[in-house]
Amino acid sequence: NAGVTQTPKFRVLKTGQSMTLLCAQDMNHEYMYWYRQDPGMGLRLIHYSVGEGTTAKGEVPDGYNVSRLKKQNFLLGLESAAPSQTSVYFCASTLPRSGANVLTFGAGSRLTVL
Amino acid sequence: SQQGEEDPQALSIQEGENATMNCSYKTSINNLQWYRQNSGRGLVHLILIRSNEREKHSGRLRVTLDTSKKSSSLLITASRAADTASYFCATVVKAAGNKLTFGGGTRVLVKP
Repeated sequence: NAGVTQTPKFRVLKTGQSMTLLCAQDMNHEYMYWYRQDPGMGLRLIHYSVGEGTTAKGEVPDGYNVSRLKKQNFLLGLESAAPSQTSVYFCASTLPRSGANVLTFGAGSRLTVL
Repeated sequence: SQQGEEDPQALSIQEGENATMNCSYKTSINNLQWYRQNSGRGLVHLILIRSNEREKHSGRLRVTLDTSKKSSSLLITASRAADTASYFCATVVKAAGNKLTFGGGTRVLVKP
């Protein structure tokens, strides 16, 4: 049982390049989230999805796009990377029960934009 | 702006001592959760306390919640070197679609 798997784990981009981070979960979770973590800032929500085919904006959505074509996958795209997007990105998922929303996290993807 | 703010930002203790960290938040919550993050890893859920609960225990962890003060505390008793990690509180607000909002975390160093 793999849980939440993120690929790639590390990536270096040049300003203006594009890339996609993939998140896959095998727990049949309904909700999926993308967060970014910067030093001293905790985790900030970028986008999230409450089901296949649905996505919504979080706290810091600018510069990112997402897609949830399959229930088990949640993709985070950067169309034109900027140095401000250098961060560690975490995907998380949950099967919401009575509003508890306990999250299972992936190991993270470290992105550097030069 | 962050819903949850942890205090202190960093904590250094000797093995065997207790570690206490606090979380304050701004709006009414559905529940509050604590997560641990080891260096270079993802977050792991530790414990959840609902808005109608005042105290919960799980092993060496004790969480309290004071909704009148909008604050929570996490106590780790008899700390071990393996408890060295960052600890984050996360609030769940029903009006915000039950999304989790994380604080900046407390870095805990347990010295052997």
